[in-house]
Amino acid sequence: EAQVTQNPRYLITVTGKKLTVTCSQNMNHEYMSWYRQDPGLGLRQIYYSMNVEVTDKGDVPEGYKVSRKEKRNFPLILESPSPNQTSLYFCASSPHRAPFPEQYFGPGTRLTVT
Amino acid sequence: DQQVKQNSPSLSVQEGRISILNCDYTNSMFDYFLWYKKYPAEGPTFLISISSIKDKNEDGRFTVFLNKSAKHLSLHIVPSQPGDSAVYFCAASLYNNNDMRFGAGTRLTVKP
Repeated sequence: EAQVTQNPRYLITVTGKKLTVTCSQNMNHEYMSWYRQDPGLGLRQIYYSMNVEVTDKGDVPEGYKVSRKEKRNFPLILESPSPNQTSLYFCASSPHRAPFPEQYFGPGTRLTVT
Repeated sequence: DQQVKQNSPSLSVQEGRISILNCDYTNSMFDYFLWYKKYPAEGPTFLISISSIKDKNEDGRFTVFLNKSAKHLSLHIVPSQPGDSAVYFCAASLYNNNDMRFGAGTRLTVKP
């Protein structure tokens, strides 16, 4: 089954404790991205990657890191999480470059930082 | 600065009637627009899109209308069904750019 998977689905952590949220897609997509969803703000892009070893900042990259060593994986790293990073996170991938940027989203990771 | 705005956080309609979800954007350079649907505990799924060279795109019960002069698009669902109850996100992108801007979403409730 073609899908984007994220792990973990739920995570509660404390301020300053490094964490990684994994994202994997089995559709051989070139483009992958991370979003956070917050009430009243919709989905905001954190980082995106056009291909292996190519990453770039989105709208809200502060406090996050990413890497793209393999085509299928795009982990999101929070080196020192803070409470304002409590959010619902989505990973997405796309088979096409624009102008057909329909994206396939993972199920989401709900992160709480206390 | 939110470049894509959905000013109605929620909408409730009766089964069988039309649902109209609205979206406004500020960046006139956007030239590709999409609607995504999201159920609880799931990621958004692509629903329908429209290029700026068109003013209407139809897919079954779903039609998207684009008014470039007003920087406004809308999603029509006819007839509405209870299974359409979800949060709908409007999104916009620039040509040749995968960077996408999303609205805050509208929660649609279709009552049986």
